[in-house]
Amino acid sequence: DTAVSQTPKYLVTQMGNDKSIKCEQNLGHDTMYWYKQDSKKFLKIMFSYNNKELIINETVPNRFSPKSPDKAHLNLHINSLELGDSAVYFCASSHRTGGNSPLHFGNGTRLTVT
Amino acid sequence: AQKITQTQPGMFVQEKEAVTLDCTYDTSDQSYGLFWYKQPSSGEMIFLIYQGSYDEQNATEGRYSLNFQKARKSANLVISASQLGDSAMYFCAMREAYSGAGSYQLTFGKGTKLSVIP
Repeated sequence: DTAVSQTPKYLVTQMGNDKSIKCEQNLGHDTMYWYKQDSKKFLKIMFSYNNKELIINETVPNRFSPKSPDKAHLNLHINSLELGDSAVYFCASSHRTGGNSPLHFGNGTRLTVT
Repeated sequence: AQKITQTQPGMFVQEKEAVTLDCTYDTSDQSYGLFWYKQPSSGEMIFLIYQGSYDEQNATEGRYSLNFQKARKSANLVISASQLGDSAMYFCAMREAYSGAGSYQLTFGKGTKLSVIP
């Protein structure tokens, strides 16, 4: 199936731990994103990569570090997890050219920090 | 200031009726795109429909149509013949003109929770 897939689907961990979320897309897109959805369902951009190059880095704590080994993968590593990091994290991808290109989202990773 | 405003936190509609979900936006760009997404309780984000700022006709996709009023900066989603499976969160989003920084992100509104009543 062609899709954006992210793992794990659920992640429960304790404060202070380091964790990673992996994302892969096989849609041939050249731009990938990380969004955070808070408990009120608000979706906010965190990072965007185009062809492995970081192009958006919103005001996100530097405990969050994205890594793009190639244009089909964008992983998110989080250091020293805090309670406030609990949220659903969505990976997405799109074509860079063409303003009408929708974002295709993964199914989300629900992170719970205890 | 919010770029995307969805003023209806929750809406109810009777099955088989039509419903309009409101979205207003704020941009100074001439070229932009507007998107609607559906998020059912299972959590995935599903792309529904797109409207470009230069499109002269309102976009339609099956039972979804977009009531685009450019002068009023509104892009309301109309769902015709509502079904129980339409119960979900609906998000309006905007992509502004491509900038030198290469930003193709979407900025989302806070969403409207639609409940379809049998």
